[in-house]
Amino acid sequence: GAGVSQSPSNKVTEKGKDVELRCDPISGHTALYWYRQSLGQGLEFLIYFQGNSAPDKSGLPSDRFSAERTGGSVSTLTIQRTQQEDSAVYLCASSLQGASYNEQFFGPGTRLTVL
Amino acid sequence: SQQGEEDPQALSIQEGENATMNCSYKTSINNLQWYRQNSGRGLVHLILIRSNEREKHSGRLRVTLDTSKKSSSLLITASRAADTASYFCATDALDSGGSNYKLTFGKGTLLTVNP
Repeated sequence: GAGVSQSPSNKVTEKGKDVELRCDPISGHTALYWYRQSLGQGLEFLIYFQGNSAPDKSGLPSDRFSAERTGGSVSTLTIQRTQQEDSAVYLCASSLQGASYNEQFFGPGTRLTVL
Repeated sequence: SQQGEEDPQALSIQEGENATMNCSYKTSINNLQWYRQNSGRGLVHLILIRSNEREKHSGRLRVTLDTSKKSSSLLITASRAADTASYFCATDALDSGGSNYKLTFGKGTLLTVNP
């Protein structure tokens, strides 16, 4: 596809379950970003990949959150033992490089609801 | 803490009027970007202004940057109902590794353009 895709678009889960969110960046984009957005709030940075490595994991809110990227392409964000406060829209973005002058292209997001 | 803070939080205008949104930030930057978000989903890049630029235009958009005041403004002229969205400024900052840049987003301004 031409843009960033994310799956699933919506996920409803029960508290305590693990969830896995997927992001497919634009082909050729080396930088990939995960953000979280709660209702009516701005974007909270979670983690950023340059290729397969994650130079900055400082935004991950707890050790229940992890992410990986393989083959310099698809990335998965895993949340273990989900809590109600994890409910949010999780947005993925990619850019040509991890440079500040590169615009980021966003996917449509995954809306996570933890019951 | 948020690097960029938009002001106002919400703005309601009539179609045809101009809309001005402001962004203030705290630390020095290389670039500042503005994004638009419709319906709580993915963001779309609007414009980038570099720290050595003072003003930039793109269609009905005009962005100014005052690095001495650490502020930027986004002006949308002759607004349309389709401009209704949330608008975010994003500033660059070195990641925790100190070698790459990441974007930090503000909480956004919700613009409503009434037909």
